[in-house]
Amino acid sequence: AQSVTQPDIHITVSEGASLELRCNYSYGATPYLFWYVQSPGQGLQLLLKYFSGDTLVQGIKGFEAEFKRSQSSFNLRKPSVHWSDAAEYFCAVGWGAQKLVFGQGTRLTINP
Amino acid sequence: DGGITQSPKYLFRKEGQNVTLSCEQNLNHDAMYWYRQDPGQGLRLIYYSQIVNDFQKGDIAEGYSVSREKKESFPLTVTSAQKNPTAFYLCASSIGIGLSYNEQFFGPGTRLTVL
Repeated sequence: AQSVTQPDIHITVSEGASLELRCNYSYGATPYLFWYVQSPGQGLQLLLKYFSGDTLVQGIKGFEAEFKRSQSSFNLRKPSVHWSDAAEYFCAVGWGAQKLVFGQGTRLTINP
Repeated sequence: DGGITQSPKYLFRKEGQNVTLSCEQNLNHDAMYWYRQDPGQGLRLIYYSQIVNDFQKGDIAEGYSVSREKKESFPLTVTSAQKNPTAFYLCASSIGIGLSYNEQFFGPGTRLTVL
């Protein structure tokens, strides 16, 4: 079965520091890739998505992600985090007509 | 505004009771989904529906039931057969499952607690 791995369960960074959240998926056909963010007790909001074309995609709130086919990865980055970025982040991957598969999530804590 | 609504936000149930969680969307989406979220386990798919009057089991369907009588509505019933129903439940919708643009839009969630 296809799988999605977010290796980091919890990450803590200082406000203003750069951020990278990792996402890896099992090999398969060209995937559709998504990053979602969830604030406590809320639903998920789409940050960005990749279907084709330029492998570096820009999203909302200053986030970007890069698709690296050779590494089966779709890591999320932000140059300078803000306290409001504290949340849980989910990577999701779809293959063709199959259902989306979500990673287990990475909880981000921001130190002031 | 277009979106997905879930009600209630908090729900308490006694053991042995069935309970129904509501999900409504006005996005004109064909596909709808129910997920269960537990701490540290991400999202697990319970049921999904691609079209009215049709739905499919997801990865953890045991103890749950759904209906899809209208395009806008996809209620989830948590039955007494569900052994550990306390969780956060998320409803989502998308244009379609098999299409390229299968981005999912999520509701705000319902937190179910069994007393």
